[in-house]
Amino acid sequence: QSALTQPASVSGSPGQAITISCTGTSSDVGSYKLVSWYQQHPGKAPKLIIYEITKRPSGVSTRFSGSKSGNTASLTISGLQAEDEADYYCRSYAGSSTFVLFGGGTKLTVL
Amino acid sequence: EVLLVESGGGLVQPGGSLRLSCAASGFTFSTFDMHWVRQVRGKGLEWVSGIGTAGDTYYPGSVKGRFTISRENVKNSLYLQLNSLRAGDTAVYYCARGMVRGVIGSAMDVWGQGTTVTVSS
Repeated sequence: QSALTQPASVSGSPGQAITISCTGTSSDVGSYKLVSWYQQHPGKAPKLIIYEITKRPSGVSTRFSGSKSGNTASLTISGLQAEDEADYYCRSYAGSSTFVLFGGGTKLTVL
Repeated sequence: EVLLVESGGGLVQPGGSLRLSCAASGFTFSTFDMHWVRQVRGKGLEWVSGIGTAGDTYYPGSVKGRFTISRENVKNSLYLQLNSLRAGDTAVYYCARGMVRGVIGSAMDVWGQGTTVTVSS
């Protein structure tokens, strides 16, 4: 099964808000609440920033928020900061044969 | 401190085998599902296996039959046996913890720093 679809890159200026989309199908994103988002800085391990579509782990900034509509999940980062520049990946449960799918990743550039 | 530390990566010839390890500390390892995720240099993340607390295992089609995930709870350790390796398996391999016990699709909330596997002659 193909990876979830994310834009290759997005950019924004400090203080602005950006949204990254993650499009799947009715067999994955559209059917389950098990959508999560990960932030990865160069040379570092991924870090969980959103789980179960909208929930933030302890310690993650409230500037990060998640949502879902149909087969598309979204990550919104408000009040962009230089430290937000990183790669972002979505991930979804995809049922009892495929199990787990990641998105292709989105590179966020803070201008 | 909750920590995952991978080891065992290295250079291996095509067709060869390698066993990766992940040492867990700072939490009750036996009560969490665990996963392996890999990343080709400059590319995205790819889930390659998961294991439940009861030893139930899960794989994507791309590695099923070549990779074997296992765990040894008394040693707080996770393993990934890589067989019939190909150039396309060259990647950084991360171990990660599943957030919700018994829900293999739950988010991965703790990650190791990764170990690099290079398949080349």
